[in-house]
Amino acid sequence: KAGVTQTPRYLIKTRGQQVTLSCSPISGHRSVSWYQQTPGQGLQFLFEYFSETQRNKGNFPGRFSGRQFSNSRSEMNVSTLELGDSALYLCASRSGGAGETQYFGPGTRLLVL
Amino acid sequence: GENVEQHPSTLSVQEGDSAVIKCTYSDSASNYFPWYKQELGKRPQLIIDIRSNVGEKKDQRIAVTLNKTAKHFSLHITETQPEDSAVYFCAASPSGGSNYKLTFGKGTLLTVNP
Repeated sequence: KAGVTQTPRYLIKTRGQQVTLSCSPISGHRSVSWYQQTPGQGLQFLFEYFSETQRNKGNFPGRFSGRQFSNSRSEMNVSTLELGDSALYLCASRSGGAGETQYFGPGTRLLVL
Repeated sequence: GENVEQHPSTLSVQEGDSAVIKCTYSDSASNYFPWYKQELGKRPQLIIDIRSNVGEKKDQRIAVTLNKTAKHFSLHITETQPEDSAVYFCAASPSGGSNYKLTFGKGTLLTVNP
């Protein structure tokens, strides 16, 4: 099976802009979670989508949003970008049921100038 | 919410020695504890995980122990090799389904010196 893929891999934006990141989960996986990774804060949970519904949410402002499509692909959107949003954004997929093993994508590195 | 503390933040060992990384968690509802290895510029990769119904799990040179009463779990790597050099993250979550939400420790940078 192909692994989790993310596009784009690198992105440069300026403050105030918005950005959309995409994640394709492993085939058959219905759960997609998003994480923000920074040197200072480490890996922080953003949200989880399962069957097109947000099932869980971390402690991030409303500027961070997401959605999931019927084919389980997910997008994450950040509006009104701030310098502090510069980070590696990782998505991870799992089956979503009783199995908990989660597999990460390669990440999208976002730089906000 | 859950809080996971991980120690040490850096660890340097000689090739062939053992390495131990320790984590504590706060939420008694957590019962799933994975460990991820992240090499520079790469994605986190699951190396081992343990569920609360067992106290220890081993996979070749890697073992994890769990003490639910004390709310701590540890990663043990024996006979370390240079390719073990990476950042290791512990995490905790309630079980699968809608309660699943991984909270990560801040990571341990392991350096294995040849």
